[in-house]
Amino acid sequence: GENVGLHLPTLSVQEGDNSIINCAYSNSASDYFIWYKQESGKGPQFIIDIRSNMDKRQGQRVTVLLNKTVKHLSLQIAATQPGDSAVYFCAEKRSPIKAAGNKLTFGGGTRVLVKP
Amino acid sequence: KAGVTQTPRYLIKTRGQQVTLSCSPISGHRSVSWYQQTPGQGLQFLFEYFSETQRNKGNFPGRFSGRQFSNSRSEMNVSTLELGDSALYLCASSLLDGQETQYFGPGTRLLVL
Repeated sequence: GENVGLHLPTLSVQEGDNSIINCAYSNSASDYFIWYKQESGKGPQFIIDIRSNMDKRQGQRVTVLLNKTVKHLSLQIAATQPGDSAVYFCAEKRSPIKAAGNKLTFGGGTRVLVKP
Repeated sequence: KAGVTQTPRYLIKTRGQQVTLSCSPISGHRSVSWYQQTPGQGLQFLFEYFSETQRNKGNFPGRFSGRQFSNSRSEMNVSTLELGDSALYLCASSLLDGQETQYFGPGTRLLVL
């Protein structure tokens, strides 16, 4: 990933275990949240998204949980695999107004290292 | 369906020069956003274009500009390059106005010497 690790939190996880990546957001008006995975030398890859009217959404091996009370978002990866090693970013769309466009505000990222 | 493509992939420039980066969105996508990624500042929003109009702009100096063409392709330009402009420049496209899911290209890595 491009957020090189000097200040990047790192999650080290054993292959086959579950991973939980956390993200805090500050704007209670944010209505849309998205998780991206970025491997070295590549652009961010969409993983899963969730709207503010939901508190949980599941995809293939991934689950996103949204707690609006404490403004917290998490990404759970089940049965983590070596290919899951990457930097993970959460992003929020802070304005629910459609005319405000699609500007995303990104978190700092978490590096996930999967140990074989 | 092809993904977002960006050209060039790598670029080396010297201070004071200008640079133009190109982005072709996913076919049918009309919204194009640009982001700058650096180790120190992370991913920061530059601007967004929709139907050839700039709809949103981040907190970057006026040296950073962009445009979108009628076929939704977009370019961004940085004039009077500074060392701090060295970064990965990412383009993302989304399908429709209000359809938020943005899909990113591989980026253009710019090095300013």
